[in-house]
Order: sequence, then C-alpha cells, then structure tokens
Amino acid sequence: GAVVSQHPSWVICKSGTSVKIECRSLDFQATTMFWYRQFPKQSLMLMATSNEGSKATYEQGVEKDKFLINHASLTLSTLTVTSAHPEDSSFYICSARGDRGSDQETQYFGPGTRLLVL
Amino acid sequence: QKEVEQNSGPLSVPEGAIASLNCTYSDRGSQSFFWYRQYSGKSPELIMFIYSNGDKEDGRFTAQLNKASQYVSLLIRDSQPSDSATYLCAVRGGSYIPTFGRGTSLIVHP
Repeated sequence: GAVVSQHPSWVICKSGTSVKIECRSLDFQATTMFWYRQFPKQSLMLMATSNEGSKATYEQGVEKDKFLINHASLTLSTLTVTSAHPEDSSFYICSARGDRGSDQETQYFGPGTRLLVL
Repeated sequence: QKEVEQNSGPLSVPEGAIASLNCTYSDRGSQSFFWYRQYSGKSPELIMFIYSNGDKEDGRFTAQLNKASQYVSLLIRDSQPSDSATYLCAVRGGSYIPTFGRGTSLIVHP
C-alpha cells in the first residue's frame, strides 16, 4: 500500500511554456500533499503544502503565481510551472500523507518528475 | 527555526560492516522521526520511522532514538553495495510537516 505516482516522469520544454505535473495517491486518500524541488546534489526543498479543497500554503521565497498548485481531490494534486525558464529546471517530487493510522504520520514520495527547460 | 543536522559524508564502509548514520535535531518537541533512502536520480523511499526512545529493528536496519540528547541514528547491518545511497533524516513536531536533513551519502565498497 501507500503508493504515490507522478506523471510525467520527464519533461523537456521550451522557455516560456507551462508544464503541468500530476501527483496521485493510488491506494489511499491523501489528506495532505507536499511538493518539493531538488537540485543536483542538493537537499529536498519544500515548495508548498496542499490540503484537498483549500489553497496551498507556500514556503517563503516560492512564487505562488509561478508554481500553481491545485488539490482537487483526495487522490490528486497538480503542480503547474507557468512560463517556465531554464532556472526552473529541476527534479520535482511530490509526497502524500495518508488519512488513517500510521499513514497519517508518514509521507510517501512519488517517483519524481525531471523538468528540463531549454 | 527547526533544524535537522546530518553529516554530508560520504561515509565509506566495507561490504558486510555496520554503517552508522547519525542525525541531530533542534526542536525538543519533535515527536516523529523518519529515515529515508534516496538513490541517485530517484525520489526518497521510506525505510522506517520511530516515535519512542530506544531501538526499533526492521531486518538489517535499526533506528535508535534518544530524545534527551536529541539524536536519532540508523544502523545498517551487513552493509551491501546496494545500500550505497543518500540517507535522509526527517523530524516532525506538532505539525504534520517534517523537516528534512540534507542527507548523508553512504558508500559500501566490495
């Protein structure tokens, strides 16, 4: 159990385009989903936290108009990188916290999406 | 500010040895402690979590928690080359948002 999927796994796009990344909890309902960004050989950086049906909470320094997060259901959250630029190239990872038992205590990570903006 | 500190390493151990990974945290109110493994180019995967002082064993892995000293460690027995990865410590307090350490790189050489 506790499987989180992400789609797509790889994205290459031109500068100025928008990219949408989907994060799904496959076998549990995710009370909360988290979006992280990780640059090569760097630590995880939390971008935002989202709860189903409410606005995402962004970490300091993360532009909410650039990184749009929608948590429309208990199993799906999306991150849209708007007007992407080369400096947005990174590894984007979502994670989900479950809604019962020990799943409430633990974050389960998706496989990540590697974004390359040319 | 809540901080979670890990030695970045790399920690190099021979195959078959015990690898010991340490993590200290600043928030005395922390309640839940997690160890994740991250292979290069992959996302983190949960190894184990611990809530209470003492040891918790799961196969070759043992998590040790000492709240008084504010540290949590992960022991890997009979280390294998496939254990070579970055190990992330995460600490969670009253909120549901954990704080991650920067990770320790482990290299297990044959």
